[in-house]
Amino acid sequence: SQQGEEDPQALSIQEGENATMNCSYKTSINNLQWYRQNSGRGLVHLILIRSNEREKHSGRLRVTLDTSKKSSSLLITASRAADTASYFCATDRRGSQGNLIFGKGTKLSVKP
Amino acid sequence: DTEVTQTPKHLVMGMTNKKSLKCEQHMGHRAMYWYKQKAKKPPELMFVYSYEKLSINESVPSRFSPECPNSSLLNLHLHALQPEDSALYLCASSHAGTFHTEAFFGQGTRLTVV
Repeated sequence: SQQGEEDPQALSIQEGENATMNCSYKTSINNLQWYRQNSGRGLVHLILIRSNEREKHSGRLRVTLDTSKKSSSLLITASRAADTASYFCATDRRGSQGNLIFGKGTKLSVKP
Repeated sequence: DTEVTQTPKHLVMGMTNKKSLKCEQHMGHRAMYWYKQKAKKPPELMFVYSYEKLSINESVPSRFSPECPNSSLLNLHLHALQPEDSALYLCASSHAGTFHTEAFFGQGTRLTVV
């Protein structure tokens, strides 16, 4: 079963622009994570935000979490062509350790 | 070493074949996972091993049989699969016993059942 729902499903931008992706989820969580996947291969962890945190930064990434709205956003600033990939949010099931449920994902295309 | 290694990278098998997917990590992680991903869909959890014991089976058909021989290895034995089982199979590992841990994924095995 899927927990998170991302929007938009697809996003196309020019290099240098910012990309914002949103994720909504349904149940209580311990944390929310964002992963990146290139061309249907392995997923790479980007950032983890705990349920008691509201915002987190890592390089060009900024993640926010609103537990009252059960939603999160991922902002990639100054995008590059190499950022082209699918991005998934993932939540764990509260009371269940390290057991990730992935959202449907946003396919980001950054044009040079 | 922060790698999860999966073999083979590609596998084509007939519906009567028996094959195995292998996964290895040397990060000292005691939780390991199998996910299945169909094209243009998110990964879906199949199995979770915690401290080498099966802790979660997401109602996966018995034609998929996981095995965790030791803390570094995870296998997925396949038997009598159907064409709809064709997918990317991803292995992942993480620290066990904590909620706030990232998962490390292998590059996957792309399985085609003919």
